[in-house]
Amino acid sequence: AQSVAQPEDQVNVAEGNPLTVKCTYSVSGNPYLFWYVQYPNRGLQFLLKYITGDNLVKGSYGFEAEFNKSQTSFHLKKPSALVSDSALYFCAVILYGQNFVFGPGTRLSVLP
Amino acid sequence: GAGVSQSPRYKVAKRGQDVALRCDPISGHVSLFWYQQALGQGPEFLTYFQNEAQLDKSGLPSDRFFAERPEGSVSTLKIQRTQQEDSAVYLCASSLWGSGVGDTQYFGPGTRLTVL
Repeated sequence: AQSVAQPEDQVNVAEGNPLTVKCTYSVSGNPYLFWYVQYPNRGLQFLLKYITGDNLVKGSYGFEAEFNKSQTSFHLKKPSALVSDSALYFCAVILYGQNFVFGPGTRLSVLP
Repeated sequence: GAGVSQSPRYKVAKRGQDVALRCDPISGHVSLFWYQQALGQGPEFLTYFQNEAQLDKSGLPSDRFFAERPEGSVSTLKIQRTQQEDSAVYLCASSLWGSGVGDTQYFGPGTRLTVL
């Protein structure tokens, strides 16, 4: 069975500092990996995805993520955090022919 | 262009009432998905349509939940005889192609259902 873990419920970072939101997954096969962000009372907004190819994926709003097959991780990163990045972040995994499995979410707070 | 829209945005129901939640996907998107998001948790898959065909309903929690997409566009999620445990945000998403091919799903704002 597929599963996604986001080991940190909450991440706090100062504005201007680099941020990392962690994601690890457990699947049997080659997964597709996604990051979504959710602002209050809004749906999920797509940030980036890994399908194949370069392990470093660049996405919207300056975010990037690195796929690490040996560590089964797909951590989300940004070199310089903004207060407006404060939101709930979800990692998701999908296998061919199956459906999304989301992680529990990590709340990111960027402090001014 | 227009994104995925859902209505109503908020719904309060008394226990035992039936509710219907509507989703308008992005025009031309073949696939449509419904998710349930409980407070403080990640979305959980409910059901999936490819055009008008419901290809997967394995996530529907009980036979009180029913979804349809009769013309391959708008979808309705119906919950009969609502229970308090049905209180959640119901999210709809659409994608251009199919499930599980790495296609990006685009989400609507959700319908927050509260069952009293």
